[in-house]
Amino acid sequence: QSALTQPPSVSGSPGQSVTISCTGTSTDVGSYNRVSWYQQPPGVAPKLMIYEVTNRPSGVPDRFSGSKSGNTASLTISGLQAEDEADYYCSSYTSSTTWVFGGGTKLAVL
Amino acid sequence: QVHLVESGGGVVQPGRSLRLSCAASGFTFSNYGMHWVRQAPGKGLEWVAVVWYDGSNKYYADYVKGRFTISRDNSKNTLYLQMNSLRAEDTAVYYCARDQVLRFLIGAFDIWGQGTMVTVSS
Repeated sequence: QSALTQPPSVSGSPGQSVTISCTGTSTDVGSYNRVSWYQQPPGVAPKLMIYEVTNRPSGVPDRFSGSKSGNTASLTISGLQAEDEADYYCSSYTSSTTWVFGGGTKLAVL
Repeated sequence: QVHLVESGGGVVQPGRSLRLSCAASGFTFSNYGMHWVRQAPGKGLEWVAVVWYDGSNKYYADYVKGRFTISRDNSKNTLYLQMNSLRAEDTAVYYCARDQVLRFLIGAFDIWGQGTMVTVSS
């Protein structure tokens, strides 16, 4: 159960777009559309931002979008705002009937 | 309002046991699968275990299999994590989280508790 691979950090200026990648294998991301994304500001519990690759829970701005190609899922945040600064984690269902998270990506809004 | 509240964390010596609880309110607990997720200090999220909505199936991450047991009491709206043979590397904040879909599991953790800290140290 190796963790999914995310870049340690990304950054962007207000109004710009950033994309965070999440690379797995054919036994997790590549085989299932059960990929989710979470936002975690410092010191608080994570918040669900995207589920089943592309779906947004109610209340999540449409600036947040998800996609997948092969073994890699991506989270794109457009129109960056200062409040988007946080850690972001992907997760995926695996063929072992377990779940696995990515290592996390720190987003800095410059 | 939908709430999950964890309890039972603390400081424990290596090799000892601890039981965490997660009290649910504001939704029909017996309709949802439930997970435990942990986060070591300064580290990322790590999935620990899942139990089906009716308790019929349970699955574990390899690093806790054989040592941790997830269970639930739907009559008490409570989720549990029995942790035995604890190791220093189990030190983390432990979160319980609800799987979003009714009577199914998609791994969309839509409700989280505030977490309870477990420290394994001699």
